[in-house]
Amino acid sequence: GENVEQHPSTLSVQEGDSAVIKCTYSDSASNYFPWYKQELGKRPQLIIDIRSNVGEKKDQRIAVTLNKTAKHFSLHITETQPEDSAVYFCAASHGQLTFGSGTQLTVLP
Amino acid sequence: EAGVAQSPRYKIIEKRQSVAFWCNPISGHATLYWYQQILGQGPKLLIQFQNNGVVDDSQLPKDRFSAERLKGVDSTLKIQPAKLEDSAVYLCASSLDADTQYFGPGTRLTVL
Repeated sequence: GENVEQHPSTLSVQEGDSAVIKCTYSDSASNYFPWYKQELGKRPQLIIDIRSNVGEKKDQRIAVTLNKTAKHFSLHITETQPEDSAVYFCAASHGQLTFGSGTQLTVLP
Repeated sequence: EAGVAQSPRYKIIEKRQSVAFWCNPISGHATLYWYQQILGQGPKLLIQFQNNGVVDDSQLPKDRFSAERLKGVDSTLKIQPAKLEDSAVYLCASSLDADTQYFGPGTRLTVL
């Protein structure tokens, strides 16, 4: 089955700096890669996703890149704000989502 | 549009007791998922329904867990008997296109 590895497990950045979270996947058949943000005690919320026929996607301060050859994808958050503090999960899907282990992002004011 | 609804939000039971969780997906979403999220980990898929049929239940511990979606809309997940290691948040999600999934608020289960 699919295996998704996510790094780093914790990340602290100063407000205004950029944050990058990286994931690798094992199943070359995976074709859909969403990112979820989960605040403490809340539901996971989809923040951006990318499909395998696209290399990069951007939505305001958030961007995702996908390298199918290397089987890795990354989340980039620019101009970070304290409200970006949360746990971020990557996932890969070929019919079902397999999640990474999460990254606790802390944005320091 | 209304989101995925789940109840109860919290449940505390003793080991060996039974418990049931309810999920109402987003209207029109044919695919429904149940996940288990243990503290500090990502959600793990337990079962996937397409309408009222099971697509994948390979990670559902069938000796104690069961789930149904009788009319292709609401779903229930049951644990009987519960074990200490079942303490987790149980998340329901639904999807229109079998890719983009929207999660409910979850049920936090504590087994004592």
